[in-house]
Amino acid sequence: SYVLTQPPSVSVAPGKTARITCGGYNIGYKRVHWYQQMPGQAPILVVYDDSDRPSGIPERFSGSSSGNTATLTISRVEAGDEADYYCQVWDSGSEHYVFGTGTKVSVL
Amino acid sequence: EVQLVESGGGLVQPGGSLRLSCAAAGFSLSDYEMNWVRQAPGKGLEWVSYMSSTGDTIYYANSVKGRFTISRDIPKNSLYLEMKSLRAEDTGVYFCARLLYNWNSGLDYWGQGTLVTVSS
Repeated sequence: SYVLTQPPSVSVAPGKTARITCGGYNIGYKRVHWYQQMPGQAPILVVYDDSDRPSGIPERFSGSSSGNTATLTISRVEAGDEADYYCQVWDSGSEHYVFGTGTKVSVL
Repeated sequence: EVQLVESGGGLVQPGGSLRLSCAAAGFSLSDYEMNWVRQAPGKGLEWVSYMSSTGDTIYYANSVKGRFTISRDIPKNSLYLEMKSLRAEDTGVYFCARLLYNWNSGLDYWGQGTLVTVSS
């Protein structure tokens, strides 16, 4: 089955840039979507189709994908960005949706 | 305004059954692809099931295949998840979520979730 691997945690100082990676075989050929989840709340879509942002999502959130790695970048990090982040793809081989293992972003 | 409201969660014994509902508002289920996603306590997100906008394509995660059934009622604009032969590992919050524009897009709207606890 298709596996998406994320680092368990990323720490970043306010105002700096956080980069969250999502590793998967040939992920560059798939559409990657990213979600932010605050404690006790439903996930929110922050990037879809590798690099597009839904309306209402700040430009500080951006995404890219190539080869075996997709990346969510959060620029000018704020305390309110502290949350869990998940990548997600559709795996046509298994006809399954797959979520990454999740990354906890901590703002120092 | 788009809204998804889940209900039907609760405490059930191992081997028991439960039916979850997801009431949609602000759009029609016949126009969008839908999913169920769950999250065990303190764990990550796990996809459970998918239904196409036409209702004729359905997928299940290997962990629930043969035990769970996704369905919908278009006049009621509601999505359902029938769960049977429940196990302790099925415990978690169950979310229904809408796909943005097609089967390969992101999940743009989520409900608040309903908690299912499988325990004796």
